[in-house]
Amino acid sequence: DAKTTQPTSMDCAEGRAANLPCNHSTISGNEYVYWYRQIHSQGPQYIIHGLKNNETNEMASLIITEDRKSSTLILPHATLRDTAVYYCIVRSTSGTYKYIFGTGTRLKVLA
Amino acid sequence: EPEVTQTPSHQVTQMGQEVILRCVPISNHLYFYWYRQILGQKVEFLVSFYNNEISEKSEIFDDQFSVERPDGSNFTLKIRSTKLEDSAMYFCASSEWGTSGGTDTQYFGPGTRLTVL
Repeated sequence: DAKTTQPTSMDCAEGRAANLPCNHSTISGNEYVYWYRQIHSQGPQYIIHGLKNNETNEMASLIITEDRKSSTLILPHATLRDTAVYYCIVRSTSGTYKYIFGTGTRLKVLA
Repeated sequence: EPEVTQTPSHQVTQMGQEVILRCVPISNHLYFYWYRQILGQKVEFLVSFYNNEISEKSEIFDDQFSVERPDGSNFTLKIRSTKLEDSAMYFCASSEWGTSGGTDTQYFGPGTRLTVL
C-alpha cells in the first residue's frame, strides 16, 4: 500500500470550507484513496473514497489530481462538529484488505 | 442505517486474565476486522477474517490473540492472558466483500476501551 503524507494540524473557521491535503506520490494504478475521520476516541468514520475521478457525497468532496499523486478532501461548510482527526488511506483493490492508518490531520474548527 | 456495534464499551481486567471483546458486524457483510489504538497512537491493524478463517494478521496478533465467529451475528476477539500493554481501544470493522469496482469500504464500530491493571 502506498504511504500517505498529511499535515499534522489545521484550523478552519466555522462556516468556511476546510481543505485537507494528502500526498500519495507512490500510489499505484489499482489503489483507491479513502478518507476517514475520528472524533475523540470514537471509531473511525468513513467519509468518501475515489480512484481517479473527483467524488462528492453528502459529507464531502474528494479532488484527486490527474497524476493521482495527491488529493484534497473538502468539507464545504465546516461546523464545530467537524473537529476531528482526518485520515487519508490508500489501499489496493487486490491482496490485503487492511487499512494502514497514518497520524492524520487534526482539524480544529473555530467558532 | 446499519452499523457495527461493540460490547462492552469499557472493560477493566487484571493482568493475566482472559478477556473477550464482542462485535456485531453489519448483517450482510462478509469480511471482518479488528484494529486497536493505544492512547495517543495510530490505529493499528490486528487481523482480518473471512469465510470462518483468518485472512491476514499483523505481528501484534500473536498466540495470545484469537478471533471467532461463534454464530451468524457475533465476531469476537479473545486475549488469553492480558498484559499491561494490551490496554487500548479495540475497534471492530466489517465490509462487504467483492463489491463492484473492487472497493471494500470498512465500517467501524464505536470501540471497546480495554484497561489492564
